[in-house]
Amino acid sequence: EDQVTQSPEALRLQEGESSSLNCSYTVSGLRGLFWYRQDPGKGPEFLFTLYSAGEEKEKERLKATLTKKESFLHITAPKPEDSATYLCAVQPYSSASKIIFGSGTRLSIRP
Amino acid sequence: DGGITQSPKYLFRKEGQNVTLSCEQNLNHDAMYWYRQDPGQGLRLIYYSQIVNDFQKGDIAEGYSVSREKKESFPLTVTSAQKNPTAFYLCASSIKRDSGNTIYFGEGSWLTVV
Repeated sequence: EDQVTQSPEALRLQEGESSSLNCSYTVSGLRGLFWYRQDPGKGPEFLFTLYSAGEEKEKERLKATLTKKESFLHITAPKPEDSATYLCAVQPYSSASKIIFGSGTRLSIRP
Repeated sequence: DGGITQSPKYLFRKEGQNVTLSCEQNLNHDAMYWYRQDPGQGLRLIYYSQIVNDFQKGDIAEGYSVSREKKESFPLTVTSAQKNPTAFYLCASSIKRDSGNTIYFGEGSWLTVV
């Protein structure tokens, strides 16, 4: 069964304290892996798409990496405005009609 | 500005009542989707459409209905058959469905049963 698991569920960091969020996935074949940021009461905002193992993408303080089993969202020297829920999603080849979302990681950055 | 517009932002439904959530996109995307989000859970797919006048059920279609009469519009009706409709509803679109293209989301609509 295709599935996506994100960890941890919640993460509290001090401003400037770097860390990583994990997205583990099980799919028969990966068409694409997506990262989104979601603020409370708003729709998810697209961050990155990764297609193959070894691929990396960066945007400001965020860097996403991909292996055959998991993806990491690295946050370097975070600021309070980086506080949000980060969602991971995968689109498998076996069922192109589905995009499977994880439950998200709630990130809180203290000043 | 290009984007996905959902309305209303907040909606209250009485028992036994049908309500319709609007979704309009001006991105010229072929595929459109409706997701439901409950606290602590991932997004779950309700319906999707790849082309005008065609749509498919997602994982939790029971109690919902959709139409796709125009490329830019994909309204969702929450019927009285949906027993637990209180949730955050998200409309999304992508260029095509089956090619790994990114899905973009609207701002969401909150539905509450009163």
